[in-house]
Amino acid sequence: DAGVIQSPRHEVTEMGQEVTLRCKPISGHDYLFWYRQTMMRGLELLIYFNNNVPIDDSGMPEDRFSAKMPNASFSTLKIQPSEPRDSAVYFCASGGPERYTQYFGPGTRLTVL
Amino acid sequence: AQKVTQAQTEISVVEKEDVTLDCVYETRDTTYYLFWYKQPPSGELVFLIRRNSFDEQNEISGRYSWNFQKSTSSFNFTITASQVVDSAVYFCALTGYSGGSNYKLTFGKGTLLTVNP
Repeated sequence: DAGVIQSPRHEVTEMGQEVTLRCKPISGHDYLFWYRQTMMRGLELLIYFNNNVPIDDSGMPEDRFSAKMPNASFSTLKIQPSEPRDSAVYFCASGGPERYTQYFGPGTRLTVL
Repeated sequence: AQKVTQAQTEISVVEKEDVTLDCVYETRDTTYYLFWYKQPPSGELVFLIRRNSFDEQNEISGRYSWNFQKSTSSFNFTITASQVVDSAVYFCALTGYSGGSNYKLTFGKGTLLTVNP
């Protein structure tokens, strides 16, 4: 079975540009999570969805960040405008029948110059 | 509030040594789940094990074993006869029934394990 798929794997952009990260969860999973990992702050939950509906976005750092889940098989995390401090690895994870277990994608390494 | 503490920031061992990674947690929930994840140098996060708060049986999977003790709020992870491929950052995590957000994982800061040949 395919795991969580994220694209792109690496993204280098300049400050002020819009960045869109994409995620395809494991088929049949009804929870989707976006995390950010940095050396300073470790793993932080940004937002999570249940059945395509955002449940908790309290971890989204500021209005420059937005996330959508238009259907059960696709989600995006958008940063507009991007700033150098947004540089991090962004992980998408999904969860389903195995209660509370989250399966992570390979991550997107974002560098904002 | 939930908290996970991994006091060991880095551990270095020689291949074939046994190594234990410590995890101590805090929660007010009576029902909760504990997890271990592995993050190898390639960067992905790999799920290793889930344990619920009502199941204090220790678990063994090959060279891996986990010791869950509610009395000391600990969920320690032991690798027997370590191998170079075990080199990774290992994260302990916790989730519980807190205000309905029972899918929110609280991660420890991780332990970097280096296994030298």
